Amino acid sequence: QKEVEQNSGPLSVPEGAIASLNCTYSDRGSQSFFWYRQYSGKSPELIMSIYSNGDKEDGRFTAQLNKASQYVSLLIRDSQPSDSATYLCAVNSPRGSTLGRLYFGRGTQLTVWP
Amino acid sequence: DAGVIQSPRHEVTEMGQEVTLRCKPISGHDYLFWYRQTMMRGLELLIYFNNNVPIDDSGMPEDRFSAKMPNASFSTLKIQPSEPRDSAVYFCASSRTSGSLYEQFFGPGTRLTVL
Repeated sequence: QKEVEQNSGPLSVPEGAIASLNCTYSDRGSQSFFWYRQYSGKSPELIMSIYSNGDKEDGRFTAQLNKASQYVSLLIRDSQPSDSATYLCAVNSPRGSTLGRLYFGRGTQLTVWP
Repeated sequence: DAGVIQSPRHEVTEMGQEVTLRCKPISGHDYLFWYRQTMMRGLELLIYFNNNVPIDDSGMPEDRFSAKMPNASFSTLKIQPSEPRDSAVYFCASSRTSGSLYEQFFGPGTRLTVL
């Protein structure tokens, strides 16, 4: 079982729609959850961090965390063509021996068409 | 504040040659990570350091790969001898344990091509 799984995609939405990206994780002890955006040919860029159950909003982006169900999601409202990228979910390792490490999902490729 | 710095940005070499990739983490960060990314395997953690000490090198594919962190502001990843299957983008990332826990920031990457 992989530590972090994402809906494989690709996901294609029209401009102005809501894009929903989902991620599940296996270790209940994880405490820190992240979403990275990676444009083609570029490095991953941290766009959201969430540590508590519930929603966290930042502009058009909302991260949702449900620790009981072990899932994290990212909603992008009013999607723009510039949001077209691969989105990576990352979860911290709670174990003392590997503290500081993040486990990354394979990513979901999002395309927003005009 | 400067981000993570990597060099070179592109490297083309021939099979059998030694390749050295370099990384300067963000000042004040105590964790440094080396990743490799390919289409087939996605983002793979190779090795990471905490306070200049290697913590987990289980992702290093084989003995041809080695990494060092002689001080808090510099790390190298060396491949000797290089093989075509090592062609990938290699990222360095850093983070710190205080403040926002475990947020990692990536460098621009080194695109390695082994002919």
